[in-house]
Amino acid sequence: EVQLLETGGGVVQPGGSLRLSCTASGFTFRNYAMSWVRQAPGKGLEWVSGIRDNGASTYYAETVKGRFTISRDNSKETVYLQMRSLRAEDTAMYYCAKAPTGGPLQLPSGGLLGWLDPWGLGTQVIVSS
Amino acid sequence: EIVLTQSPATLSVSPGESATLSCRASQGISSNLAWYQHKPGQAPRLLIYGASTRVTGIPARFSGSGSGTEFTLTISRLQTEDFAVYYCQQYNNWFQYTFGQGTKLEIK
Repeated sequence: EVQLLETGGGVVQPGGSLRLSCTASGFTFRNYAMSWVRQAPGKGLEWVSGIRDNGASTYYAETVKGRFTISRDNSKETVYLQMRSLRAEDTAMYYCAKAPTGGPLQLPSGGLLGWLDPWGLGTQVIVSS
Repeated sequence: EIVLTQSPATLSVSPGESATLSCRASQGISSNLAWYQHKPGQAPRLLIYGASTRVTGIPARFSGSGSGTEFTLTISRLQTEDFAVYYCQQYNNWFQYTFGQGTKLEIK
C-alpha cells in the first residue's frame, strides 16, 4: 500500500523557518515526482511546489517562490519543503502527494499525466507571534 | 495562471438524488483535469483524471465529462459518505497546477 507521512509542522513566528518532511513507502520512490499542496484555514487547496524524480528540476507557486525550497533524498525515500521568511498567510495544512510519473510526459493524445495520488494526511503549520 | 472556477460553492442534495458539479477553466486545458473528494481530517482522494477516467475502486456513480474549458462531475444516487468538498485541478502544464475553490456538497 502506498503511504505518505508528513512531519515537521508546528508553530513558528513570522519571519521564521521550518522544514517539512514527507516519508514515502509502498512504491519505488526514486521513479516518481512529488508535490506539496496546502490548505489555509477555511480555504481551498493551493498547489505549492513540485520536484521531479531525480531532483534535477523544481517548481514553485508564485506565492512561495524565493522563500520555499523543495528537495528530496531518494535513499531515504523522503521529500522536503524548507520554508523561510514565513508569513501569517503561510498558515495552512501542508499535504505531500505523489505524481503519476517521474517527470513531464505527454501522451500520444496530447494529454498529460499530472494528477496527484495519493496524498498524505498533512502536517499543520501555524505562523503566529 | 490558469484559473478554475467551480460552481456552485455549496450544493444541497438529498441522499439518493444526483448532484452535478461544474468547473470552468480560464483557458483551454484539453482533458488535463482531475477531480478530488476531501473530507475533514482526511487526505484528499483522487476520483477522476483525464476529465473522465475514473480511478480504480471509485464507485461507478461518479462520472466526469468535458474538455477544453467546461467540465462536470456528476454523482448519481448520492450516499451519505459522498457528502464532502470536491475540487477540480488542472495540470495543463507540468507542475504549474491550480485548483478550483471547491464545491461543498451537503445533505439537504
